[in-house]
Amino acid sequence: AQSVAQPEDQVNVAEGNPLTVKCTYSVSGNPYLFWYVQYPNRGLQFLLKYITGDNLVKGSYGFEAEFNKSQTSFHLKKPSALVSDSALYFCAVSSNDMRFGAGTRLTVKP
Amino acid sequence: NAGVTQTPKFQVLKTGQSMTLQCAQDMNHEYMSWYRQDPGMGLRLIHYSVGAGITDQGEVPNGYNVSRSTTEDFPLRLLSAAPSQTSVYFCASSYSPQGLSSYNSPLHFGNGTRLTVT
Repeated sequence: AQSVAQPEDQVNVAEGNPLTVKCTYSVSGNPYLFWYVQYPNRGLQFLLKYITGDNLVKGSYGFEAEFNKSQTSFHLKKPSALVSDSALYFCAVSSNDMRFGAGTRLTVKP
Repeated sequence: NAGVTQTPKFQVLKTGQSMTLQCAQDMNHEYMSWYRQDPGMGLRLIHYSVGAGITDQGEVPNGYNVSRSTTEDFPLRLLSAAPSQTSVYFCASSYSPQGLSSYNSPLHFGNGTRLTVT
Protein backbone atom coordinates (compact mmCIF):
# COMPACT_ATOMS: atom_id res chain seq x y z
CA ALA A 1 0.00 0.00 0.00
CA GLN A 2 1.15 3.51 -0.70
CA SER A 3 1.75 6.14 1.97
CA VAL A 4 2.98 9.68 2.34
CA ALA A 5 4.74 11.46 5.20
CA GLN A 6 4.96 15.19 5.75
CA PRO A 7 7.47 15.56 8.58
CA GLU A 8 6.65 19.17 9.45
CA ASP A 9 3.31 20.23 10.90
CA GLN A 10 4.19 23.88 10.48
CA VAL A 11 6.56 25.89 8.30
CA ASN A 12 7.15 29.59 8.87
CA VAL A 13 8.95 31.80 6.38
CA ALA A 14 9.33 35.52 5.79
CA GLU A 15 7.82 37.06 2.70
CA GLY A 16 10.32 37.12 -0.15
CA ASN A 17 12.33 34.20 1.20
CA PRO A 18 12.38 30.79 -0.47
CA LEU A 19 10.13 28.13 0.98
CA THR A 20 10.27 24.34 1.11
CA VAL A 21 7.55 21.98 2.27
CA LYS A 22 8.81 18.43 2.67
CA CYS A 23 7.22 15.17 1.57
CA THR A 24 8.44 11.59 1.49
CA TYR A 25 6.56 8.67 0.04
CA SER A 26 6.35 4.91 -0.01
CA VAL A 27 4.84 3.05 -2.93
CA SER A 28 5.49 -0.12 -4.85
CA GLY A 29 6.12 0.55 -8.49
CA ASN A 30 6.29 3.94 -10.14
CA PRO A 31 5.00 6.79 -8.00
CA TYR A 32 2.41 9.29 -9.11
CA LEU A 33 2.84 12.25 -6.79
CA PHE A 34 0.75 15.35 -6.23
CA TRP A 35 0.65 18.54 -4.22
CA TYR A 36 -2.57 20.23 -3.19
CA VAL A 37 -3.31 23.45 -1.30
CA GLN A 38 -6.24 24.13 1.00
CA TYR A 39 -7.47 27.57 1.97
CA PRO A 40 -9.80 28.05 4.97
CA ASN A 41 -13.26 26.51 4.59
CA ARG A 42 -12.50 25.26 1.10
CA GLY A 43 -11.72 21.99 -0.58
CA LEU A 44 -8.27 21.10 -1.78
CA GLN A 45 -6.94 22.61 -4.98
CA PHE A 46 -4.46 20.88 -7.27
CA LEU A 47 -1.03 22.53 -7.54
CA LEU A 48 1.16 20.14 -9.51
CA LYS A 49 1.94 16.51 -10.19
CA TYR A 50 4.79 14.21 -11.09
CA ILE A 51 4.06 11.25 -13.34
CA THR A 52 7.29 10.69 -15.23
CA GLY A 53 10.06 12.62 -16.94
CA ASP A 54 11.82 15.72 -15.64
CA ASN A 55 12.46 15.57 -11.90
CA LEU A 56 11.60 19.26 -11.49
CA VAL A 57 7.90 19.86 -11.94
CA LYS A 58 6.40 23.32 -12.28
CA GLY A 59 2.87 24.09 -11.15
CA SER A 60 0.40 26.81 -10.31
CA TYR A 61 1.17 30.11 -8.53
CA GLY A 62 4.94 29.81 -9.05
CA PHE A 63 5.29 26.56 -7.11
CA GLU A 64 7.55 23.74 -8.18
CA ALA A 65 8.47 20.36 -6.76
CA GLU A 66 11.54 18.20 -7.01
CA PHE A 67 11.21 14.46 -7.36
CA ASN A 68 14.10 12.46 -5.88
CA LYS A 69 13.78 8.74 -6.43
CA SER A 70 16.77 7.71 -4.32
CA GLN A 71 15.48 9.67 -1.32
CA THR A 72 11.80 8.89 -2.10
CA SER A 73 11.02 12.56 -1.67
CA PHE A 74 8.87 15.10 -3.45
CA HIS A 75 9.48 18.46 -1.79
CA LEU A 76 7.43 21.52 -2.70
CA LYS A 77 9.36 24.72 -3.32
CA LYS A 78 8.91 28.35 -4.23
CA PRO A 79 11.76 30.81 -4.79
CA SER A 80 10.03 33.79 -3.19
CA ALA A 81 7.14 33.35 -0.75
CA LEU A 82 4.09 35.60 -0.64
CA VAL A 83 1.82 36.27 2.33
CA SER A 84 -1.02 34.92 0.19
CA ASP A 85 0.76 31.53 0.04
CA SER A 86 -0.21 30.97 3.68
CA ALA A 87 -2.39 27.84 3.65
CA LEU A 88 -2.44 24.13 4.37
CA TYR A 89 -0.45 22.00 1.92
CA PHE A 90 -0.95 18.32 1.26
CA CYS A 91 1.28 15.85 -0.52
CA ALA A 92 -0.43 12.82 -2.06
CA VAL A 93 0.57 9.60 -3.77
CA SER A 94 -1.67 7.76 -6.18
CA SER A 95 -1.87 4.12 -7.10
CA ASN A 96 -5.30 2.51 -7.13
CA ASP A 97 -6.53 5.49 -5.15
CA MET A 98 -5.07 8.71 -3.80
CA ARG A 99 -3.60 8.81 -0.30
CA PHE A 100 -2.70 12.03 1.46
CA GLY A 101 -0.18 13.14 4.02
CA ALA A 102 -1.25 14.81 7.26
CA GLY A 103 -0.65 18.27 5.86
CA THR A 104 1.77 21.13 6.55
CA ARG A 105 0.57 24.55 7.56
CA LEU A 106 2.61 27.23 5.81
CA THR A 107 2.66 30.70 7.32
CA VAL A 108 4.34 33.50 5.41
CA LYS A 109 4.93 36.59 7.52
CA PRO A 110 5.28 40.10 6.05
CA ASN B 1 -18.68 26.08 -13.84
CA ALA B 2 -20.18 24.23 -10.88
CA GLY B 3 -17.53 21.47 -10.61
CA VAL B 4 -18.16 19.33 -7.51
CA THR B 5 -21.11 20.36 -5.38
CA GLN B 6 -21.65 19.11 -1.86
CA THR B 7 -24.72 19.56 0.30
CA PRO B 8 -25.33 20.40 3.06
CA LYS B 9 -22.43 22.62 4.14
CA PHE B 10 -23.10 22.05 7.82
CA GLN B 11 -24.99 19.36 9.71
CA VAL B 12 -25.52 18.46 13.36
CA LEU B 13 -26.76 14.98 14.21
CA LYS B 14 -27.55 13.15 17.38
CA THR B 15 -25.94 9.79 18.03
CA GLY B 16 -27.84 7.06 16.22
CA GLN B 17 -29.41 9.28 13.58
CA SER B 18 -28.87 8.59 9.90
CA MET B 19 -28.28 10.99 7.06
CA THR B 20 -27.01 11.26 3.51
CA LEU B 21 -24.33 13.63 2.33
CA GLN B 22 -24.91 14.60 -1.26
CA CYS B 23 -22.24 14.98 -3.92
CA ALA B 24 -22.73 15.86 -7.57
CA GLN B 25 -20.28 16.70 -10.33
CA ASP B 26 -20.94 18.10 -13.79
CA MET B 27 -17.58 17.27 -15.42
CA ASN B 28 -18.53 13.77 -16.59
CA HIS B 29 -15.83 12.28 -14.40
CA GLU B 30 -15.89 8.53 -14.00
CA TYR B 31 -13.94 8.47 -10.74
CA MET B 32 -15.48 9.82 -7.53
CA SER B 33 -14.45 9.47 -3.91
CA TRP B 34 -15.23 10.49 -0.36
CA TYR B 35 -12.65 11.61 2.20
CA ARG B 36 -12.86 12.73 5.77
CA GLN B 37 -10.51 15.34 7.15
CA ASP B 38 -9.51 15.32 10.80
CA PRO B 39 -6.90 17.53 12.48
CA GLY B 40 -3.40 16.07 12.28
CA MET B 41 -4.55 13.14 10.16
CA GLY B 42 -4.88 14.66 6.74
CA LEU B 43 -7.50 13.21 4.45
CA ARG B 44 -8.52 9.58 4.76
CA LEU B 45 -10.33 7.77 1.99
CA ILE B 46 -13.73 6.36 2.93
CA HIS B 47 -15.13 4.94 -0.32
CA TYR B 48 -14.54 5.42 -4.00
CA SER B 49 -16.13 4.60 -7.32
CA VAL B 50 -14.59 4.11 -10.76
CA GLY B 51 -17.91 4.38 -12.56
CA ALA B 52 -21.67 3.99 -12.28
CA GLY B 53 -22.57 0.77 -10.51
CA ILE B 54 -19.05 0.21 -9.14
CA THR B 55 -17.92 1.13 -5.62
CA ASP B 56 -15.10 0.03 -3.35
CA GLN B 57 -13.84 0.60 0.16
CA GLY B 58 -11.03 2.92 1.13
CA GLU B 59 -9.05 3.20 4.36
CA VAL B 60 -11.92 3.94 6.77
CA PRO B 61 -15.20 2.55 5.35
CA ASN B 62 -16.86 1.34 8.55
CA GLY B 63 -20.10 3.14 9.37
CA TYR B 64 -20.53 4.51 5.85
CA ASN B 65 -22.32 3.29 2.75
CA VAL B 66 -22.19 4.55 -0.82
CA SER B 67 -23.88 3.86 -4.11
CA ARG B 68 -23.30 5.12 -7.65
CA SER B 69 -26.41 4.89 -9.78
CA THR B 70 -25.37 7.70 -12.14
CA THR B 71 -22.07 9.19 -13.30
CA GLU B 72 -22.97 12.54 -11.73
CA ASP B 73 -23.96 11.57 -8.18
CA PHE B 74 -22.14 9.80 -5.37
CA PRO B 75 -24.00 10.07 -2.05
CA LEU B 76 -22.47 9.04 1.25
CA ARG B 77 -24.78 7.53 3.87
CA LEU B 78 -24.22 7.41 7.59
CA LEU B 79 -26.41 4.61 8.87
CA SER B 80 -26.16 5.29 12.62
CA ALA B 81 -24.10 8.36 13.43
CA ALA B 82 -21.47 8.20 16.16
CA PRO B 83 -19.41 11.01 17.75
CA SER B 84 -16.30 9.51 16.11
CA GLN B 85 -17.81 10.50 12.77
CA THR B 86 -17.58 14.18 13.64
CA SER B 87 -15.40 15.48 10.83
CA VAL B 88 -15.26 17.48 7.64
CA TYR B 89 -16.22 15.38 4.63
CA PHE B 90 -14.97 16.04 1.13
CA CYS B 91 -16.19 14.60 -2.12
CA ALA B 92 -13.79 14.55 -5.07
CA SER B 93 -13.82 13.47 -8.68
CA SER B 94 -11.32 13.01 -11.46
CA TYR B 95 -11.08 12.18 -15.13
CA SER B 96 -10.40 8.51 -15.78
CA PRO B 97 -10.49 7.83 -19.51
CA GLN B 98 -10.33 4.07 -19.14
CA GLY B 99 -12.82 3.89 -16.29
CA LEU B 100 -9.95 2.94 -14.04
CA SER B 101 -8.67 4.68 -10.95
CA SER B 102 -7.47 8.26 -10.84
CA TYR B 103 -3.87 7.12 -10.81
CA ASN B 104 -2.47 10.08 -12.68
CA SER B 105 -5.37 12.54 -12.76
CA PRO B 106 -5.72 15.29 -10.17
CA LEU B 107 -8.77 15.30 -7.97
CA HIS B 108 -11.36 18.06 -8.07
CA PHE B 109 -12.79 18.71 -4.62
CA GLY B 110 -16.06 20.07 -3.33
CA ASN B 111 -16.06 22.63 -0.52
CA GLY B 112 -16.89 20.08 2.15
CA THR B 113 -19.60 19.23 4.66
CA ARG B 114 -18.86 19.93 8.30
CA LEU B 115 -20.61 17.25 10.37
CA THR B 116 -20.98 17.27 14.13
CA VAL B 117 -22.40 14.27 15.98
CA THR B 118 -23.44 14.89 19.57
